[in-house]
Order: sequence, then C-alpha cells, then structure tokens
Amino acid sequence: DAGVIQSPRHEVTEMGQEVTLRCKPISGHDYLFWYRQTMMRGLELLIYFNNNVPIDDSGMPEDRFSAKMPNASFSTLKIQPSEPRDSAVYFCASSLLRDRGLGYTFGSGTRLTVV
Amino acid sequence: QKEVEQDPGPLSVPEGAIVSLNCTYSNSAFQYFMWYRQYSRKGPELLMYTYSSGNKEDGRFTAQVDKSSKYISLFIRDSQPSDSATYLCAMNGPGGGNKLTFGTGTQLKVEL
Repeated sequence: DAGVIQSPRHEVTEMGQEVTLRCKPISGHDYLFWYRQTMMRGLELLIYFNNNVPIDDSGMPEDRFSAKMPNASFSTLKIQPSEPRDSAVYFCASSLLRDRGLGYTFGSGTRLTVV
Repeated sequence: QKEVEQDPGPLSVPEGAIVSLNCTYSNSAFQYFMWYRQYSRKGPELLMYTYSSGNKEDGRFTAQVDKSSKYISLFIRDSQPSDSATYLCAMNGPGGGNKLTFGTGTQLKVEL
C-alpha cells in the first residue's frame, strides 16, 4: 500500500482565494482525520470521519473551513476564503477502528502558505 | 490549560547521551499513551505505545507511564544523530475509540 496520499505537497495562494486539499486514506481504514500543525499550536484536530460520516468537527476554526468525504477513498478540506493565518501544514491521517487509536498513518502533509 | 503539555525544546544533546522526553496531561480518562516521531517535512510516525501505567522497552527506547502523576516519559539510550526529530506524545481520547490528543512536540537534535 502506498500509504496515505495527500495533494498538493505545497500550495501558495493569495488571500481571499479558495484552497482545496486532498487526501486518499489507506484502503480499508475506516477513520480519517484532518489535522493542522503550526509551531505555536502544534497538531490540532480539525475534523474526523468514521465510515465517511463526519463525527466531530468542533476543531474546524471557522465557517471558512469545510471538509467532505464522498467515499471511502477520498476526502477534501476546503478553505474559502483563505487568510494568511491559515498558513500551516495540513495533515491527513487514517486508522482502523480496531486499532483504538494505537496507530494513525499520516500523510506527508500539505504546506499551505497564504500571502 | 491544554489537555496535554509538552516542552517544545529545542533539546540538543551529544551523540551517545541518554535523552528524556516528557509530557503531562490532565484527563484521567486517557488509557493509551503513544509516542510519535516526526522528521522534518514528514508526517508523524508511531514510535511506540503503552497501555495504562508501566514501562515498555523497544531497543534503545523506553516508554513510561505514571497515571497517578499524569506523567509520561520517553527515554532514548545511546542517542544517535538519526534520532534528531520532533517527538510528539499522544493519548487516547476521553471517549475511547480512535481520537487522539497530541502534545505540541519536543524538537530533539543529537549532535556528533
């Protein structure tokens, strides 16, 4: 398995533009997580899905952020409109229910810069 | 106050030193305790995990959990330059299941 695949690896965009981050989880994993990482705040959980259903989106900072998981093999995180304070590394991770959180597999992340 | 506190470092040690990394937490419901290692510009990877209190050893790495003090540690013996990374502690969420709460990470540099 190729692991969790995220795209793009880097994104530079202007303030006010729409940004879409993409994630393909490991086949068979039934949990998918979106995290944001910054130096100041570390890894913050934004939202997670179980069997494609959003379970907890309390970490989504504002209405400008939205996430979808239309099927078991694809998820998107969208920011519209983007702002400079959204600059961070965004990670997607997937896991199996039976692992009880013992082992997330993270993607390599998308480094977002909003100028 | 955050649920999980971790000193961000950076921590710089000479090769061969014993390294101690620590986290404190406030939620007594946490049951599983993990350490992730994150190399620069990569995603975190699970290093090891411990259930409840006690010690677990894996090669040069030892994880300790003291639930009475809400304190966990990771020890690295005979540290190597390849151990230079950010180490994040993580804990199983209050409701169990698969939700983890992470510390902010400690940046470690092992120098030749």
